[in-house]
Amino acid sequence: EADIYQTPRYLVIGTGKKITLECSQTMGHDKMYWYQQDPGMELHLIHYSYGVNSTEKGDLSSESTVSRIRTEHFPLTLESARPSHTSQYLCASQTGRDGYTFGSGTRLTVV
Amino acid sequence: AQSVAQPEDQVNVAEGNPLTVKCTYSVSGNPYLFWYVQYPNRGLQFLLKYITGDNLVKGSYGFEAEFNKSQTSFHLKKPSALVSDSALYFCAVRDDNYGQNFVFGPGTRLSVLP
Repeated sequence: EADIYQTPRYLVIGTGKKITLECSQTMGHDKMYWYQQDPGMELHLIHYSYGVNSTEKGDLSSESTVSRIRTEHFPLTLESARPSHTSQYLCASQTGRDGYTFGSGTRLTVV
Repeated sequence: AQSVAQPEDQVNVAEGNPLTVKCTYSVSGNPYLFWYVQYPNRGLQFLLKYITGDNLVKGSYGFEAEFNKSQTSFHLKKPSALVSDSALYFCAVRDDNYGQNFVFGPGTRLSVLP
């Protein structure tokens, strides 16, 4: 049973549209992360947060933005989607010495 | 700085044979080490971790990994592979003296042939 939820699972959207990918966790974890992953490829960290009102950019430059207004919620927004944004987006949370807990991902296709 | 290497893009093994997926790491302090598995169109699932203690760590689905400090390795192993083990495997490390983010290896695709 998943303790971290991502919606939608799949999204096909037109170029120029604004989209928000949702990520919520019920574990009370302070740290949350967004990764971008092309199918079968390595993970690229695009955003992370160590707590409410804390957000940082990751290693891979991204045109997306994030917010962390509540501990359990870490949405990712693309103001104007482009075909180059087509990818899988994985959300994760973590606390203490534990590993990351990942959501099931959102597969985004921009046409 | 911290880094992780998975020297093999692809590992092929026959069903019933033992499997090994290799991982080496570099950290300045003490490492926290993890293995994850990813099935198609899914997120990553936790398999096992090494924080401290016994060098041989047992995890989910019959997998185990051995922490070797002198060789800075954390290879994933299973005595008898199943076709259902075919997936993408990621090694990750966090340096307890460095930052708080994990670094993931590039992944190794495991194919178990019937």
